[in-house]
Amino acid sequence: QSVLTQPPSVSTAPGQKVTISCSGGNSNVGNNFVSWYQQLPGTAPKFLIYDNDKRPSGIPDRFSGSKSGTSATLAITGLQTGDEADYYCAAWDSNLGAVVFGGGTKVTVL
Amino acid sequence: EVRLVESGGDVVQPGGSLRLSCATSGFNFRAHYLGWVRQAPGKGLEWLGRIRNKANGDITDYAASAEGRFTISRDDSENSLYLHMSSLTTEDSAVYYCGRVFKSQYVDFWGQGTQVTVSS
Repeated sequence: QSVLTQPPSVSTAPGQKVTISCSGGNSNVGNNFVSWYQQLPGTAPKFLIYDNDKRPSGIPDRFSGSKSGTSATLAITGLQTGDEADYYCAAWDSNLGAVVFGGGTKVTVL
Repeated sequence: EVRLVESGGDVVQPGGSLRLSCATSGFNFRAHYLGWVRQAPGKGLEWLGRIRNKANGDITDYAASAEGRFTISRDDSENSLYLHMSSLTTEDSAVYYCGRVFKSQYVDFWGQGTQVTVSS
């Protein structure tokens, strides 16, 4: 059971928008920054979003992050088949003194 | 180019020990925090811990699942990171990733992972 809660899967058609939710509590999402990672099949995770809504160099602006209270959201617009992957949210947990991850959301492009 | 390459994954018996290594290049190793994350088969990511840089005392922080059994260390002269694991159980079977830690908590660059299998 992951500390952060994500839906197991989401799907939509190419070119459309998909959103992935990440729900936590006051000790993590509510009072600390959220990040997001993309894991393509059979590969290592890739850094996608940090500080709730910032993109590292090289990440296209089709990927965006937001946070409100104890929930965060990753949005992907203009969905492409190459975006099919597992997406994980993460945040520092002040009570645990460690980074906690969500269980991951599998994005399928129909 | 930032590179991290793990090695040392193996099949080990329950109760055994193993040391993983992570060789790095392409960045100022001694300036950065570094960490380990694992992923059990078909499961999600699990943070194991991090080691701070020398300027911050090389202090280590561990997740509860790693505390007491796992030890993270670094060798700044070799640009290498290590994870020593002991009292291994089948629950520790996973792909283990090393990573460069950015702003204390983000893994901005990842290795390709090394497989650890705990089995009799």
